[in-house]
Amino acid sequence: GAGVSQTPSNKVTEKGKYVELRCDPISGHTALYWYRQSLGQGPEFLIYFQGTGAADDSGLPNDRFFAVRPEGSVSTLKIQRTERGDSAVYLCASSLYGSSTGELFFGEGSRLTVL
Amino acid sequence: TQLLEQSPQFLSIQEGENLTVYCNSSSVFSSLQWYRQEPGEGPVLLVTVVTGGEVKKLKRLTFQFGDARKDSSLHITAAQPGDTGLYLCAGALTGNTPLVFGKGTRLSVIA
Repeated sequence: GAGVSQTPSNKVTEKGKYVELRCDPISGHTALYWYRQSLGQGPEFLIYFQGTGAADDSGLPNDRFFAVRPEGSVSTLKIQRTERGDSAVYLCASSLYGSSTGELFFGEGSRLTVL
Repeated sequence: TQLLEQSPQFLSIQEGENLTVYCNSSSVFSSLQWYRQEPGEGPVLLVTVVTGGEVKKLKRLTFQFGDARKDSSLHITAAQPGDTGLYLCAGALTGNTPLVFGKGTRLSVIA
C-alpha cells in the first residue's frame, strides 16, 4: 500500500495476556518508530529502528515491552502480561532516512484495550 | 515532566476568527515540527522549522521558531471548520534523536 499499515486496528484483551501489534511501513523507508498515545495526550516515544536494529529503545516503559524488525521492513511490537495501564493507541511511523528533520508518516494506529 | 508544553490545551472559536497556539520548552531543539491529527488517524506533518527566528507560511497558517530555538508558535488566520483537530508540536534535541511530542492543542472551529 501507499501508506503505513497497522494491524489490528482494534484489540481487546484481558489483563495478563500477550499481545502483538504489527506495522508495515512505507516501502523503502529505513527508519521505523513506535509511539504510544493515551487519551488526551500527545504521542509518547517507545522505540526507533534504523534498518533491522533498534537505534533507540529508551522509551520502552519496562521489560514487558519488546519490538523486532527482523528484515528491516515489517515490525512487531510485543507486550507480555498486559496491564490495564497499557491501554492506549499504539502508533507506528516510518521515514525515509531517520533524520530528525524528515517527515514521519504515521499509520492510523492500533487501539489496545486491556480489560 | 513534559519537555514540550503546549498552550492552550483546548480552544473553541468561531469561523473567521484568528488564533495562536504555543509550544514552549526550557530545552534547545535542533528542529521542531508541527503535526495535525484528526480523530482515528495518525498525525500528519504540517511544517518543519530548523533555524532560530524562522517563519514559514502554509496558506492561512504561519509558523515561527523562536530565536533561541526553545519555542514555537502557530498562527491561523480566518479559521475554518476544516481546521478543527489536534495540533501537536514535536521537537528533536539533536539531529539523531527521535521526536518528542507535546500534549497538543485541541482546536474546534464552529461554523
